[in-house]
Amino acid sequence: DQQVKQNSPSLSVQEGRISILNCDYTNSMFDYFLWYKKYPAEGPTFLISISSIKDKNEDGRFTVFLNKSAKHLSLHIVPSQPGDSAVYFCAAGGGNQFYFGTGTSLTVIP
Amino acid sequence: GAGVSQSPSNKVTEKGKDVELRCDPISGHTALYWYRQSLGQGLEFLIYFQGNSAPDKSGLPSDRFSAERTGGSVSTLTIQRTQQEDSAVYLCASSLLGHSSGNTIYFGEGSWLTVV
Repeated sequence: DQQVKQNSPSLSVQEGRISILNCDYTNSMFDYFLWYKKYPAEGPTFLISISSIKDKNEDGRFTVFLNKSAKHLSLHIVPSQPGDSAVYFCAAGGGNQFYFGTGTSLTVIP
Repeated sequence: GAGVSQSPSNKVTEKGKDVELRCDPISGHTALYWYRQSLGQGLEFLIYFQGNSAPDKSGLPSDRFSAERTGGSVSTLTIQRTQQEDSAVYLCASSLLGHSSGNTIYFGEGSWLTVV
């Protein structure tokens, strides 16, 4: 049973527009959340994180929002750029484990 | 090295053979994770090492899978009697402290295993 779900396997966005990637989790004990970006044939690279004591964290064009009551987090990329095209994984953790979603493939169209 | 290093980067093996995958974590990182990603799937947790504590092996899919971490640094993931469903990218990651401290984990580039 998946503890972290990314229900959209793919997303296409025009360059300059906002990309919104969504992630849901099931375990209310999770206290740390991360987003990773993965290019083909490369390992995932860390993008941005948020702890459960916050509801928003911003880093340049990337903002992560956490809604604990809904067990939902989202990643906003604005403005989107063609180089942002990649697979984005969300991860949630508590205790010794991180659980990852299945990823959302983002394509930013020039 | 500066990042997590994994070897081999690619491995093709015959069904039934054993394989070993190696991970060199970032120097000083006490936590080490193994994940795998099968085609079209997310990242599946396999095993977690934290310092000298007993590893969390709850993600290992069968007793054909084992991992060890020598001297608190290098780790080896061993898959015995490989099956075609073992074909995946095996990703190693490390972090400075354990996850519960909220530390970011850093991934290697993966070992691509194909069982034919």
